[in-house]
Amino acid sequence: DVALTQTPLSLSVTPGQPASISCKSSQSLLHSDGRTSLFWYLQKPGQSPQLLIYEISNRFSGVPDRFGGSGSGTDFTLKISRVEAEDVGVYYCMQTIQLPWTFGQGTKVEIK
Amino acid sequence: EVQLVESGGGLVQPGGSLRLSCEASGFTFSSYWMGWVRQTPGKGLEWVANINQDGNEEYYVDSVKGRFTVSRDNARNSLYLQMNSLRAEDTDVYYCTKLDYRRIDYWGQGTLVTVSS
Repeated sequence: DVALTQTPLSLSVTPGQPASISCKSSQSLLHSDGRTSLFWYLQKPGQSPQLLIYEISNRFSGVPDRFGGSGSGTDFTLKISRVEAEDVGVYYCMQTIQLPWTFGQGTKVEIK
Repeated sequence: EVQLVESGGGLVQPGGSLRLSCEASGFTFSSYWMGWVRQTPGKGLEWVANINQDGNEEYYVDSVKGRFTVSRDNARNSLYLQMNSLRAEDTDVYYCTKLDYRRIDYWGQGTLVTVSS
């Protein structure tokens, strides 16, 4: 199975400050069609997960531009340029290059 | 607006069965792969199963193979998960998911399954 390792597992951020989460994969997530199957989700408290970023760096519909993704191959990063109170929750990376699809352990983001 | 509404969760004894349902709206259900993901309350996410548009291609995580069956009824815009031989470790919130080109783009609100005697 493809293992995804997120760091840090928790993050406390002052509003308006940036935040960064790393996701490292045990193997390349680059598909033969040239697309990379790495996604970021946010699960807000009491809610189901919601898609933030697809294929490394593409923001999903309605996602604010303070969210950005980068990386390639096996190393990926989610960055929030200026954290807002509504950004609290658990962030997960996910891969779909290979079955079973797998998730990172999650990174809990809270506001200072 | 895409909506996925799960139902059918509840308390079941070990070895028992349960059938989850997911009613979809806001998109052309028959055009998309669908799936299930589960989550132990307060813990991480685990992909469970996917099914293609016609319902003739299915994939499962190893831990549920032979016990769970995913199916769909395109006429009813509905997805199902038949869970047999349930174990304590199947206790989770089960989310119905809509897929779009190898990504999960929408999730339902989840339904809780508790396996306990």
